[in-house]
Amino acid sequence: DSGVTQTPKHLITATGQRVTLRCSPRSGDLSVYWYQQSLDQGLQFLIQYYNGEERAKGNILERFSAQQFPDLHSELNLSSLELGDSALYFCASQTAQLGSTDTQYFGPGTRLTVL
Amino acid sequence: AQKITQTQPGMFVQEKEAVTLDCTYDTSDPSYGLFWYKQPSSGEMIFLIYQGSYDQQNATEGRYSLNFQKARKSANLVISASQLGDSAMYFCAMRDGNTPLVFGKGTRLSVIA
Repeated sequence: DSGVTQTPKHLITATGQRVTLRCSPRSGDLSVYWYQQSLDQGLQFLIQYYNGEERAKGNILERFSAQQFPDLHSELNLSSLELGDSALYFCASQTAQLGSTDTQYFGPGTRLTVL
Repeated sequence: AQKITQTQPGMFVQEKEAVTLDCTYDTSDPSYGLFWYKQPSSGEMIFLIYQGSYDQQNATEGRYSLNFQKARKSANLVISASQLGDSAMYFCAMRDGNTPLVFGKGTRLSVIA
């Protein structure tokens, strides 16, 4: 158990809908990262938050947004869903914002299926 | 730009044997970290081992060791005494400076009884 929690574990929805994925980082970790894992694109970084502020953006679509709350949990909002958004979405946390030595610990993921 | 290359899409190993999973990387930053993660069929990403670019010794964690060859820019994962539970996807990843992790495409390891 990494200490990072994600809910829900599975999500099935229809095209055009909006969903919210939730992540709670490990106790003491201030940084939260969101990743998307799909069969064709592999593991891709979406967005990072540190202590409530957005710090880095990757290949995140405009239909997607995220935020980190004062209690440090984070939510990833996906809207106007398309079939191609079906993927495994991971949240990862690490203690600090900076430093290449910091290990990221991953949550169990949310498997999103868009029908 | 960072790049991670895992050239082995799939590997087979006999139970109790050792196996090496290859990973090469490319970065112009002298300070970087290399990571290996395991993803079983259940889907979670499990951190295995870390190697820093300035570390003098190869990292080890139980049955996992990292064969770090800086000049060759390689960071191969060695699993000793393979077990059936080691069957999974293995991802090599790297970060330098403040960047997020960049992952390779992974290697699927199958352990045969």
